[in-house]
Amino acid sequence: EVQLVESGGGLVQPGGSLRLSCAASGFTFSSYFMIWVRQAPGKGLEWVANIKPDGSGENYVDSVKGRFTISRDNGKNSLYLQMNSLRVEDTAIYYCTRGQGWSEGDYWGQGTLVTVSS
Amino acid sequence: QTVVTQEPSLTVSPGGTVTLTCASSTGAVTSGFHPNWFQQKPGQAPRALIYNTSNKHSWTPARFSGSLLGGKAALTVSGVQPEDEAEYYCLLYYDSAYIWVFGGGTKLIVL
Repeated sequence: EVQLVESGGGLVQPGGSLRLSCAASGFTFSSYFMIWVRQAPGKGLEWVANIKPDGSGENYVDSVKGRFTISRDNGKNSLYLQMNSLRVEDTAIYYCTRGQGWSEGDYWGQGTLVTVSS
Repeated sequence: QTVVTQEPSLTVSPGGTVTLTCASSTGAVTSGFHPNWFQQKPGQAPRALIYNTSNKHSWTPARFSGSLLGGKAALTVSGVQPEDEAEYYCLLYYDSAYIWVFGGGTKLIVL
């Protein structure tokens, strides 16, 4: 059974940092793109970033470029999102999902809440 | 900035048919945008329905279908069930920037 479990969310002050993790199981992690998607309270979904199966390339939405870094450890079946210089508008539930071919997000985790507030 | 536009809300009667659309600010949506569609119910994570315009996941009910219609991506629900009431999101790929962009979502009301 495919499982994606996010962790690391919490309350952080503006300008602070946080590192999210996603533990994957039930599939060959190293064969899939991995993706972070976020959803601000009461708002729609926003694609944040993805990373190639071998970790050789990443892509980001403009609003997080230079502040967020997506990475993965295929030996640990884990995906990460390092978030620096956090802003109030980064407050959201962050979901981990996977992609393959032109399917960008078949299985999803339950998400982890990040709150940026003073 | 690229904007993907969906109908804010649609209302359909049980047993009816409804089509949700997904437009790009850059022009006509083609197969090269590889449209994906997702369903999300309150308090739940999104659930994937359609990928690459019209392909269904193994769990996607047969009443859901994807297509291209009049320069937009489209999701058609035939024989709507009460449990289909949810928010629906499309997702498009922009190969010029190697990024994906979600639409704003359509709230489907079954009444």
